[in-house]
Amino acid sequence: AQSVTQLGSHVSVSEGALVLLRCNYSSSVPPYLFWYVQYPNQGLQLLLKYTSAATLVKGINGFEAEFKKSETSFHLTKPSAHMSDAAEYFCAVSVGDMRFGAGTRLTVKP
Amino acid sequence: NAGVTQTPKFRVLKTGQSMTLLCAQDMNHEYMYWYRQDPGMGLRLIHYSVGEGTTAKGEVPDGYNVSRLKKQNFLLGLESAAPSQTSVYFCASSSPPGLALDAEQFFGPGTRLTVL
Repeated sequence: AQSVTQLGSHVSVSEGALVLLRCNYSSSVPPYLFWYVQYPNQGLQLLLKYTSAATLVKGINGFEAEFKKSETSFHLTKPSAHMSDAAEYFCAVSVGDMRFGAGTRLTVKP
Repeated sequence: NAGVTQTPKFRVLKTGQSMTLLCAQDMNHEYMYWYRQDPGMGLRLIHYSVGEGTTAKGEVPDGYNVSRLKKQNFLLGLESAAPSQTSVYFCASSSPPGLALDAEQFFGPGTRLTVL
């Protein structure tokens, strides 16, 4: 069965610093992978998705993620954190129904 | 265009009471989903529907029932609420017909349910 593991339930960075949120997946078939963001008291919004067209995927708000099959990873990065990036981030995998990771809460310090 | 809406936003129940959560979408999506979100566990799929009149079990279906009588609505019912069902419930929908494994899911704002 497919699953994702997000490493680190909380990540704290300073404004302007690199953001790196880690996600590893497990799937017996080529997966579709997603990153969603959840702002306080809101539903989830899609940041980006991997569907095998390109290994480096660019999303909204300056985020991007790289699919690495050899490492079974799909880490999310942003070169320079902004205060407005503070939120919870979920990695998800779909080979049928969607399976979400436990989430990583990103805090951005001024 | 409201997207996905959920009713109610908050609810407190006593153990054994019943209630229905309503999800509505105006995007003509075929697929609809109910998730629950618990701290440290991400979102877990309760039930889903691939079209009007159809429903299927997800990862954690016990204690819940669903119905999809109209394409735009997906109802989640709790017949006899238990404290373990205290959670935030999210409805989502996704696009068009066919097995769209890469389809983005659009989420509602959530319903915060507390069972005492």
